Amino acid sequence: AQSVTQLGSHVSVSEGALVLLRCNYSSSVPPYLFWYVQYPNQGLQLLLKYTSAATLVKGINGFEAEFKKSETSFHLTKPSAHMSDAAEYFCAVTPNTGGFKTIFGAGTRLFVKA
Amino acid sequence: DADVTQTPRNRITKTGKRIMLECSQTKGHDRMYWYRQDPGLGLQLIYYSFDVKDINKGEISDGYSVSRQAQAKFSLSLESAIPNQTALYFCATSDYTRDEQFFGPGTRLTVL
Repeated sequence: AQSVTQLGSHVSVSEGALVLLRCNYSSSVPPYLFWYVQYPNQGLQLLLKYTSAATLVKGINGFEAEFKKSETSFHLTKPSAHMSDAAEYFCAVTPNTGGFKTIFGAGTRLFVKA
Repeated sequence: DADVTQTPRNRITKTGKRIMLECSQTKGHDRMYWYRQDPGLGLQLIYYSFDVKDINKGEISDGYSVSRQAQAKFSLSLESAIPNQTALYFCATSDYTRDEQFFGPGTRLTVL
């Protein structure tokens, strides 16, 4: 069965520092992969998605993620954190074959220190 | 106006009460979903619908029911609310099954 693991329920960085949020999935066939962001009192919104077109995916607000099949990973990065990046981030996977249900990771809350 | 709206945004109720959460969308999507969010657990799928006549249980459907009144409307009901149904509930839509989902702002439900 598909699963997705986000390493670290909380990540704290200083403003201007690199942001790295980790996501690993389990699947025999590379799935569709997504990163969503949830700001306080809001629903989730899409940051970026991988659909097999390119391994390095660029998203909104300066975020990007790299799909690494050998590591079954899809880590999210941003070179320089901004205070407005403080939010909860969810990695999600949807199977490419067979089932279609999207599985969400448990989420990583990002704190940005001034 | 928001593409996916949910009402109410907040609700406090008592054990045993029947509650309905409503979701409307203007995206024109056929696919609609109800999720529950609990801290540290991510989102869990309660029910999903691929069109008005197609409704399916998700991974945690016990204690919940749904109604797809129209392409744009998908309601979630708790027939007899219990305290462990206290959570944040999200409605979402998508154009294709494996495409990105568009989320409503959520309903925070507290069952006392």
